[in-house]
Amino acid sequence: EPEVTQTPSHQVTQMGQEVILRCVPISNHLYFYWYRQILGQKVEFLVSFYNNEISEKSEIFDDQFSVERPDGSNFTLKIRSTKLEDSAMYFCASSTGQVEKLFFGSGTQLSVL
Amino acid sequence: DQQVKQNSPSLSVQEGRISILNCDYTNSMFDYFLWYKKYPAEGPTFLISISSIKDKNEDGRFTVFLNKSAKHLSLHIVPSQPGDSAVYFCAASGGSGGSYIPTFGRGTSLIVHP
Repeated sequence: EPEVTQTPSHQVTQMGQEVILRCVPISNHLYFYWYRQILGQKVEFLVSFYNNEISEKSEIFDDQFSVERPDGSNFTLKIRSTKLEDSAMYFCASSTGQVEKLFFGSGTQLSVL
Repeated sequence: DQQVKQNSPSLSVQEGRISILNCDYTNSMFDYFLWYKKYPAEGPTFLISISSIKDKNEDGRFTVFLNKSAKHLSLHIVPSQPGDSAVYFCAASGGSGGSYIPTFGRGTSLIVHP
């Protein structure tokens, strides 16, 4: 069964450093998402991406965040200057349509020291 | 701003009995509701959904009930199995402005004892 793949599974970085989280969505999916879950809290929406542009973003997704689909298969989330509060599990997801169920990757655990 | 609330962080049930997971929402514009299941070290996986035009949807051992007037939905698992032990997330979409981005709750950890 096709699946969403995320790399790396764990990322440790120093505060102020840039990180790039990578995702390979399911190949025939058109909508792509990033969510995150801070330990003990809810799964929070960050951004959605469709037709090579951001379709929606949350208040969390400020200027420190950016997304890119550089080559038609990868979907990346970049955090330019990480803060301690960026420590969370980051989930990538994809779907065939706007109202369809999301398929999630296994997540990248980001730890900012 | 918790638009989707799962007030029980955990639930413990005996194998073979019914598990009932509850979810409340505040945004009356939500019109599509989903349940996801998450095992440790994995991402959430879709379990079952319901549209606001229905009040019940069933898929095998899983049934979701929607009470729009109370802004409440519940997931029933009958009979519960040890493999059902996971975190269950309630999600809702279709809020004001027509956003179809699912908003998730905090999750309920279900433990099914053999």
